[in-house]
Amino acid sequence: DIQMTQSPSSLSASVGDRVTITCRASQSISRYLNWYQQKPGKAPKLLIYATSDLQTGVPSRFSGSGSGTDFTLTISGLQPEDFATYFCQQSYTTPVYTFGQGTKLEIK
Amino acid sequence: QLQLQESGPGLVRPSETLSLTCTVSGGSISSNTYYWGWIRQPPGKGLEWIGSMFYTGSSDYSPSLKSRVTISAETSKNQFSLRLTSVTAADTAVYSCASVRRDGSNQIDNWGQGILVTVSS
Repeated sequence: DIQMTQSPSSLSASVGDRVTITCRASQSISRYLNWYQQKPGKAPKLLIYATSDLQTGVPSRFSGSGSGTDFTLTISGLQPEDFATYFCQQSYTTPVYTFGQGTKLEIK
Repeated sequence: QLQLQESGPGLVRPSETLSLTCTVSGGSISSNTYYWGWIRQPPGKGLEWIGSMFYTGSSDYSPSLKSRVTISAETSKNQFSLRLTSVTAADTAVYSCASVRRDGSNQIDNWGQGILVTVSS
């Protein structure tokens, strides 16, 4: 199995901040990396797919980068609605996938 | 826009079989565009991929659950289902069905709301 390790596991930030979340794969996954946002009691929402492609309707303050084993999700100019938990997912080993353990983004 | 909705019992006894159904609207499960999958999330924990199927009947499962899982489709009802046998308390989780796009990065672009299934006597 490919293991996905996210860091940090939690993060405190203020509205307007720029934050970066990292996801590392245990082996190369090319660019088959997707990011999701989850709010309490809600289904996850796709933000970014294929490392850097923004899902339709997702604000441009979200961006992704990376390749191989190291990937980042950046939120530029945090908004109040961005405080949530973020998960990465590798889709290299389709159609069986693995997720990172999540990063909880909290208001400072 | 696809919509997915899970249904099934919220309580299952240990050693019994968990059975859930996902009803798809806004599109056909016989589409070439999607795999149809199940994911679970134990309370307070992260996401775990269970498995997926294609409308032709092929399916793939997480190695850790493979011996206990079956995912199948009922195309006439535009539904697909999950069966997990010999459940224990460790199988208590929110179970979600989802659509996975085959024409991109295999991203999960639609999720059901999820259903909490508790394994308890």
